[in-house]
Amino acid sequence: AQSVTQLDSHVSVSEGTPVLLRCNYSSSYSPSLFWYVQHPNKGLQLLLKYTSAATLVKGINGFEAEFKKSETSFHLTKPSAHMSDAAEYFCVVSGSSNTGKLIFGQGTTLQVKP
Amino acid sequence: DSGVTQTPKHLITATGQRVTLRCSPRSGDLSVYWYQQSLDQGLQFLIQYYNGEERAKGNILERFSAQQFPDLHSELNLSSLELGDSALYFCASSAPRTGSHEQFFGPGTRLTVL
Repeated sequence: AQSVTQLDSHVSVSEGTPVLLRCNYSSSYSPSLFWYVQHPNKGLQLLLKYTSAATLVKGINGFEAEFKKSETSFHLTKPSAHMSDAAEYFCVVSGSSNTGKLIFGQGTTLQVKP
Repeated sequence: DSGVTQTPKHLITATGQRVTLRCSPRSGDLSVYWYQQSLDQGLQFLIQYYNGEERAKGNILERFSAQQFPDLHSELNLSSLELGDSALYFCASSAPRTGSHEQFFGPGTRLTVL
């Protein structure tokens, strides 16, 4: 069975400093992995995706993530946080190779301080 | 804007009632997924339809049902509503035969059961 664990429920950084949101996954097959972002009272927006191509994945708004099979990790990073990055971030794994249903982590709230 | 539309945006109703949530997928997408986001359960997959047929089922209660119509829009029916059904319900769609299982989410319907 597939699962995903976000290691921090809340991360606080200062504007202009790096962001690291940690995610570990478990999968019985080669997974597709995603990071989605949810701003307050908004829907879910795809930040980036890994689908067994390059292990370093670049997304929107300067975010990137590195797929590390040996560590079963897919951490999200950004070199310099912006106030507009404050949101809820979800690490997501595809739940099945056939159906495409997604399994979401519990989410990490990113706070950006001025 | 993901191209996925959901109506209504907000729904307030009483316990024991029945409601219908509607979703229109992106043009050309054959798969529709329903997810529930609540404070205690997080984001959970409910059900998937592909071109009118049920493809996968998740943690969907027996009081809930869904269908996908020939024009590919989908409806989620929630009956005998309980206070605990209050949540944000998302619909997502994905393109046919893509290996990445990338899904595009609508803005959600916020259901409040009083």
